[in-house]
Amino acid sequence: DQQVKQNSPSLSVQEGRISILNCDYTNSMFDYFLWYKKYPAEGPTFLISISSIKDKNEDGRFTVFLNKSAKHLSLHIVPSQPGDSAVYFCAASFSNSGYALNFGKGTSLLVTP
Amino acid sequence: ETGVTQSPTHLIKTRGQQVTLRCSSQSGHNTVSWYQQALGQGPQFIFQYYREEENGRGNFPPRFSGLQFPNYSSELNVNALELDDSALYLCASSQKLAGGIQLRDTQYFGPGTRLTVL
Repeated sequence: DQQVKQNSPSLSVQEGRISILNCDYTNSMFDYFLWYKKYPAEGPTFLISISSIKDKNEDGRFTVFLNKSAKHLSLHIVPSQPGDSAVYFCAASFSNSGYALNFGKGTSLLVTP
Repeated sequence: ETGVTQSPTHLIKTRGQQVTLRCSSQSGHNTVSWYQQALGQGPQFIFQYYREEENGRGNFPPRFSGLQFPNYSSELNVNALELDDSALYLCASSQKLAGGIQLRDTQYFGPGTRLTVL
């Protein structure tokens, strides 16, 4: 069963606007969350992460928000750029099995000029 | 610093055959994890190797096995291939610190091997 869910398979945003990618999880034991970005023919690349003790983490244009009560996290990209067009995966892990990442199915983001 | 490399890039096998996929970890990394990404799905954790031993396993049958070598490179072996084994196989390397602690941000993925089972 899918413990990490990304319910939007695709998202299209205009350049300069905000992109919001959403992720829900079902297992309350997850305590660390990550976003990976994947271009075609390349492996996923780590983007940003957040521990369950925080509700926000920011890195340049990328911000991840965590709502533990709703078991929901989101990735905000501001401003969006055409180079951000890629598949974004949300992943989660337990503290005592930090190596095993549980991924969602991904959201394909297209940023149009 | 060299990144994670995987070989071959693509592979076609028939049902019932056996396959070996290879991964070279990033320079300085001592841990390798393998993931299976089926079409339209996210990557699924198969297992991890640390100090040449399996160090955790996902929900995959025993016909999925692996090895890690003294230079930290790794192999994924799949026996008795089934049609559903067709997928992109990703390898990720990372560095476990003293005491086996792994920084969870630091898994670096290779480009993957696309396996097609006919």
